[in-house]
Amino acid sequence: EAGVAQSPRYKIIEKRQSVAFWCNPISGHATLYWYQQILGQGPKLLIQFQNNGVVDDSQLPKDRFSAERLKGVDSTLKIQPAKLEDSAVYLCASSSRDSPNTGELFFGEGSRLTVL
Amino acid sequence: DQQVKQNSPSLSVQEGRISILNCDYTNSMFDYFLWYKKYPAEGPTFLISISSIKDKNEDGRFTVFLNKSAKHLSLHIVPSQPGDSAVYFCAATVSGSARQLTFGSGTQLTVLP
Repeated sequence: EAGVAQSPRYKIIEKRQSVAFWCNPISGHATLYWYQQILGQGPKLLIQFQNNGVVDDSQLPKDRFSAERLKGVDSTLKIQPAKLEDSAVYLCASSSRDSPNTGELFFGEGSRLTVL
Repeated sequence: DQQVKQNSPSLSVQEGRISILNCDYTNSMFDYFLWYKKYPAEGPTFLISISSIKDKNEDGRFTVFLNKSAKHLSLHIVPSQPGDSAVYFCAATVSGSARQLTFGSGTQLTVLP
């Protein structure tokens, strides 16, 4: 079974530029999450989708961050304009109601963003 | 407001000995707890979990203990192996909360050969 795919793995941009990250979850997983992990901290939830609807985006800085999951499969996370403090690893995860373990998420390898 | 805390950023243990990683939480609504393991340049992977109706869950070399009154959980790894060297994240959730996890800041475990 293929895992969660993310791209690009690494991105370096200057502040005020824009960037987009892509995620393809595990096939059949209805729930998709974007997490932000700043160095030395744990992952922090940015947004959660159930199919193509938003479940929770309360911690998404909506003045600069946007995310969509138009067909209920792939998702993109965009940052525009980027700030220095956006430097982090952006982790995409997916989950299935059929998972035997409550709360078990399957994470991608992450997209590391450096804002200069 | 850190609802899940891992106060030890790092831990070094000799191979074959026990590793004990600790986690504290403040939100009394949390009723399900998980440990994730993360290697460099990889995403976190699920390791073991425990429901608040239990005080212990064991899976091979890994055991998680939960002390609800102290709002404290710990992960025991016995015996520790060099391949266990990774960052371990504690996470908590409220059952039925659409599986939203709150993570601690992680503990870097180094198992010395």
